[in-house]
Amino acid sequence: EVQLVQSGAEVKKPGESLKISCKGSGYSFPSYWIGWVRQMPGKGLEWMGIIYPGDSDTRYSPSFQGQVTISADKSISTAYLQWSSLKASDTAMYYCARPGGKWGQGTLVTVSS
Amino acid sequence: EIVMTQSPATLSVSPGERATLSCRASQSVSSDLAWYQQKPGQAPRLLISGASTRATGIPARFSGSGSGTEFTLTISSLQSEDFAVYYCQQYNNWPPYTFGQGTKLEIK
Repeated sequence: EVQLVQSGAEVKKPGESLKISCKGSGYSFPSYWIGWVRQMPGKGLEWMGIIYPGDSDTRYSPSFQGQVTISADKSISTAYLQWSSLKASDTAMYYCARPGGKWGQGTLVTVSS
Repeated sequence: EIVMTQSPATLSVSPGERATLSCRASQSVSSDLAWYQQKPGQAPRLLISGASTRATGIPARFSGSGSGTEFTLTISSLQSEDFAVYYCQQYNNWPPYTFGQGTKLEIK
């Protein structure tokens, strides 16, 4: 069974850095695109970016280019989403997902002073 | 960017009745279209991929159709657990893959 399991909820202060993770299992992790989706409180869904773990080809949505970094370690079947300096407006639920496929359970990121 | 437009925004249907949800793309996405169900406090659940292929474990009352720019999700006989928000999403053209704004399916 395909599964994507994300790291737990985070509470951070503005300006702090953060890296959240998503571990895939039940399929060939290097061979499928995987990405990150943001859902702000009470709002819809937005793709942030995608990565092909086999060669680390990474593509960002224009709205998120320069704001976050997406990476993957195919040796441990894990994708990452990281921020170097969080803002209050980064408060949201973040999902990893295979385009047209399975999603992780979500990681709630709260940024507050 | 491909714009996905879902209609209606809210659909009120009685249990046991049929629900038809629509999704339109601003340009062709071939059959690279998925439908998701989201309940409050939960992650979206994949229902349909490839416009018409049910995901593993999804009941047969859910069906998808369409290609190009016009797509439909049909729920043949609504059960109480089907009342939720439904999103369509194209994964044909990056950047970025785009979602519709969602259709809220509520009990009439």
